[in-house]
Amino acid sequence: NAGVTQTPKFQVLKTGQSMTLQCAQDMNHEYMSWYRQDPGMGLRLIHYSVGAGITDQGEVPNGYNVSRSTTEDFPLRLLSAAPSQTSVYFCASRATGGDGYTFGSGTRLTVV
Amino acid sequence: GNSVTQMEGPVTLSEEAFLTINCTYTATGYPSLFWYVQYPGEGLQLLLKATKADDKGSNKGFEATYRKETTSFHLEKGSVQVSDSAVYFCALKHNAGNMLTFGGGTRLMVKP
Repeated sequence: NAGVTQTPKFQVLKTGQSMTLQCAQDMNHEYMSWYRQDPGMGLRLIHYSVGAGITDQGEVPNGYNVSRSTTEDFPLRLLSAAPSQTSVYFCASRATGGDGYTFGSGTRLTVV
Repeated sequence: GNSVTQMEGPVTLSEEAFLTINCTYTATGYPSLFWYVQYPGEGLQLLLKATKADDKGSNKGFEATYRKETTSFHLEKGSVQVSDSAVYFCALKHNAGNMLTFGGGTRLMVKP
């Protein structure tokens, strides 16, 4: 089925560890983004990309890196995990000029 | 900057009750407005949208009207079902921009 696929679904990290959250879409969407969801705060934009080779920061980019080497993939890297990064992470994509965003099912990350 | 404010939950209703979830926004110009729904363990799904003042978005019995004069986009449903239990997010996006700005979310619980 077409859509946005995120892996892993769950992850526990120790403080200081690094990891990459994967996001892939098969809809040929140019726009991709990463959000984090924290209780009572809705979703906040971390980083986004308007096409392969182009990325930019959102509201809360500190502690996260992204790259976009292909249209399909948009991985999110945590270089040195901190407990404040405990959250649910969502990847979303959108076609250029469209309004509708397609969200992945999320990655629940716990940093201990 | 842009912001979205939603009523805090949880909202607990009996089946077939009338639902209103309030949403107000602050933004320059004329943003597009959205309601997203998140069922347990899943990502966000677009429920409905409106792109200009006085537009009414509707889907699955839910409705919301874009009110420029009161900067509001309240979600309503005439008769809720147990299957409507979820978290509902109000969001806005400027037509020339890429970022969705979300409210904090409202959890709806419908009891049989």
